[in-house]
Amino acid sequence: GQNIDQPTEMTATEGAIVQINCTYQTSGFNGLFWYQQHAGEAPTFLSYNVLDGLEEKGRFSSFLSRSKGYSYLLLKELQMKDSASYLCAVRHSGAGSYQLTFGKGTKLSVIP
Amino acid sequence: GAVVSQHPSRVICKSGTSVKIECRSLDFQATTMFWYRQFPKKSLMLMATSNEGSKATYEQGVEKDKFLINHASLTLSTLTVTSAHPEDSSFYICSARDLGRSEQFFGPGTRLTVL
Repeated sequence: GQNIDQPTEMTATEGAIVQINCTYQTSGFNGLFWYQQHAGEAPTFLSYNVLDGLEEKGRFSSFLSRSKGYSYLLLKELQMKDSASYLCAVRHSGAGSYQLTFGKGTKLSVIP
Repeated sequence: GAVVSQHPSRVICKSGTSVKIECRSLDFQATTMFWYRQFPKKSLMLMATSNEGSKATYEQGVEKDKFLINHASLTLSTLTVTSAHPEDSSFYICSARDLGRSEQFFGPGTRLTVL
C-alpha cells in the first residue's frame, strides 16, 4: 500500500521562506510530485522529482531522498497568493498507468 | 499546452438521477485519464484509471456499476454517476496523462450537489 504524510497546516510571513515536508512509504516508486491547490479549484503542477536531489524552479524548489522516503517543497519570497494547499503525490506503477497517490495536503497561510 | 477541460463545472441534481461529467484533453492526446473525488478538506482520492479503448480500472471500494466510465477517444473520457444520492455530493476532478510528459494535468473540477 501507499502512505504519505505531510503537516496539516502551516503559517508563514510574506517575504519569508517556508519548507513543507513530506514522507512516504510506497511500493513501485516512480517519482514524487508537488501540486498547489487553491480552495475549490483543481490542483496545478509545481514540481517533479524522480532522482535524489534538488530541483529548482523560480521561487519553488523541491528535494527528494529516495533512501529516506522524504521530500520537501521550499517556497521563497512568499507572496499572499501562495496561500493554498500543497499536495505531495507519489507516482507508482499500478495497472501499468503510473497512478498518483496524494497526501492529505498542507494548508499554507501566508500572513502580512 | 496540456490543457484539460471539464464540463459541467457545477451541477445540482435530485436524488436518484444520473449525472454525466465530461473530461477533455484539448491540445494533447491522453491515452490515460484518471478520475478523482475530493470531499471537503480532504485529499484527492483516485476513483478509477481509464485507458482509451479499454475498460476502466476501479480502486477498491468504488462501485463500477455506480460510477460508469467511458474513454472512447484519446481526448475524451466521461464519468456518469448513476442514481446519485446525497452522499455522492463531492468535487470530481479528472486528470490526463500525456505519454511524452511525466505529470498529470488536471481539469478544473466538477462540483456535484445531490439534493
